[in-house]
Parts: sequence; C-alpha cells; structure tokens
Amino acid sequence: AQTVTQSQPEMSVQEAETVTLSCTYDTSESDYYLFWYKQPPSRQMILVIRQEAYKQQNATENRFSVNFQKAAKSFSLKISDSQLGDAAMYFCAYRSALFTGNQFYFGTGTSLTVIP
Amino acid sequence: EAQVTQNPRYLITVTGKKLTVTCSQNMNHEYMSWYRQDPGLGLRQIYYSMNVEVTDKGDVPEGYKVSRKEKRNFPLILESPSPNQTSLYFCASSFAGGSGNQPQHFGDGTRLSIL
Repeated sequence: AQTVTQSQPEMSVQEAETVTLSCTYDTSESDYYLFWYKQPPSRQMILVIRQEAYKQQNATENRFSVNFQKAAKSFSLKISDSQLGDAAMYFCAYRSALFTGNQFYFGTGTSLTVIP
Repeated sequence: EAQVTQNPRYLITVTGKKLTVTCSQNMNHEYMSWYRQDPGLGLRQIYYSMNVEVTDKGDVPEGYKVSRKEKRNFPLILESPSPNQTSLYFCASSFAGGSGNQPQHFGDGTRLSIL
C-alpha cells in the first residue's frame, strides 16, 4: 500500500503571509493523482487542489499552488496571502491511476492556524 | 444541490448493538467509499465500491460491512460495535469517468461513540 506522510502536525502563519505545507509519499507507480483537502472546524472535507503526476506543470488555484517534485515524491501546498478562513486541517491524498480500485491514501494532516 | 448525505450525524450507542450509518449521493457517481478519521491517523479507507454490487476492502475493514444494492446508496454496517470503533466517519463519492483525477465529494461526517 502507498503511504502518505505529512511531517508537520501543526503550522501557523500570520494573516497575509505565505505558508507551505509539506507532503511526501511512497509509491512504485509512475502514474497517479495527488490531492489536497481542507477540513475546517465544520469538519467538511473540501477539495483545495489536485495534480496529475504526468503533468510537469504545477497546479494553481487562486491563492493555492503546489510544488510537485516527482523524483523526490514530494507534493507541498503553498498558501499565499493567508486569510483567517484558511485556518483548518489540511490533508494530502494519493490515488493510483491504475484503476485497480478506488483506493485513496491520506496523510495524517496538518493543522494550520492563521494569526490575525 | 449535489451532495452526499450521511445519517445520523451523531450517534452514541453501546457495545454489541448493531447499527447502520446510511449514505446517499444524488450525483449518479459510480465510486463510493467509507473512511474513518482518528486523531493523528488521518483518514483511513474502510471499504469502497466501484459500482452496484461491487465492493472491496480498504485498509481497515475489520468489524465493518457494506452493501451497494443501489447506485446512490452505500450503507456502513457495524454488526457488533466495539469501543475501538469510536471515530468520525465519512462517506464519499466520485465520478468514474475522465482521467481518474476526479475528486471525491464528502458527506458531513458521522460522529460515532461506542460505550
């Protein structure tokens, strides 16, 4: 089974500053998909951004962008101009592209605090 | 409105009393999954289904059952709940088409406490 590691249980950032959340994964596959989900205190799971492994270009969604380093198996999330509403738990997730199933693997999460 | 609906949202019960958490989606998604979320462990997949009558075990299936008799419904069954199944549970669904990068849509979660 693939493993996803988020080595930062907690992070904090000043409002309007930039923060980067790290994620690494272990896989022998060459094709896969990566996701970042946000879980605010309401406990909803909200998709933030996704990346296809075959794409070299890093995904961007407004203030959210990723740094995808395939060789290093790293998939970090950068949040620019942090806002109070960004405070949440963030989960990195991996999905195989082999379609052998519908298995997703999640990291243990990073709790982000935004300081006013 | 497109959504995944789980019920109940909260449940406190006792060891050994069978319970079912329902999950329904209105997006005609083929894929559905159940996860449990525990502090420090993230989300772990319990079971998943790729279509009607097609289910498979995830990483932590012990003590759980599922069924997929209809495309929209994917109930999670705990035949004899135990305290170690106290957790936050999520149902999710996703579209099978496209390139495989389809995100999962999650329900609002069920907080289950087993005494």
